[in-house]
Amino acid sequence: GENVEQHPSTLSVQEGDSAVIKCTYSDSASNYFPWYKQELGKGPQLIIDIRSNVGEKKDQRIAVTLNKTAKHFSLHITETQPEDSAVYFCAAISPRAGGTSYGKLTFGQGTILTVHP
Amino acid sequence: NAGVTQTPKFRILKIGQSMTLQCAQDMNHNYMYWYRQDPGMGLKLIYYSVGAGITDKGEVPNGYNVSRSTTEDFPLRLELAAPSQTSVYFCASNPSGRRQETQYFGPGTRLLVL
Repeated sequence: GENVEQHPSTLSVQEGDSAVIKCTYSDSASNYFPWYKQELGKGPQLIIDIRSNVGEKKDQRIAVTLNKTAKHFSLHITETQPEDSAVYFCAAISPRAGGTSYGKLTFGQGTILTVHP
Repeated sequence: NAGVTQTPKFRILKIGQSMTLQCAQDMNHNYMYWYRQDPGMGLKLIYYSVGAGITDKGEVPNGYNVSRSTTEDFPLRLELAAPSQTSVYFCASNPSGRRQETQYFGPGTRLLVL
């Protein structure tokens, strides 16, 4: 099955700096890669996603890049703010899930991002 | 819309007790999921459902049961609670379960088994 590795596990930056979180996946058939932000005491919330036919996607201060050949994708946050502090999860959807059409979402281990004022 | 709601927010169980974690969504989504999140780990899929009356196992189904009698509700049942089931449980849903479709998560239920 799919395996998603996420690095680093913790990341500390100064306000205004950039933050980069990297993920690798194992299943070359995976075709959808969402990123979730989880604030303390809350469920994960989608912040950006990318599909396998796109190499880069940007939404204001957040961008995601995908390298299908190397099977890795990254989250880039520019001009970080204290409210960006949270746990960030990458995920991948593999279409191979017991022969059904259901796409199984496999999560990385998470990155605790702390932005210091 | 309230989105995905979960109750209770927090519960302490004794070993061997049983309980049901409630999950409901008001978005008319067909697919619903239960995940557990252990400290320092990502989310692991316990069970999922593709529609009312249809459920299937995920990665870590042992010790749990689910039912899906309506589109809106997807309860998770723990029959004999064990310390290994101490975790945070998240319910999620999406409209059709297509491979390139995001899932919407509830706020979670924190469970402590002592």
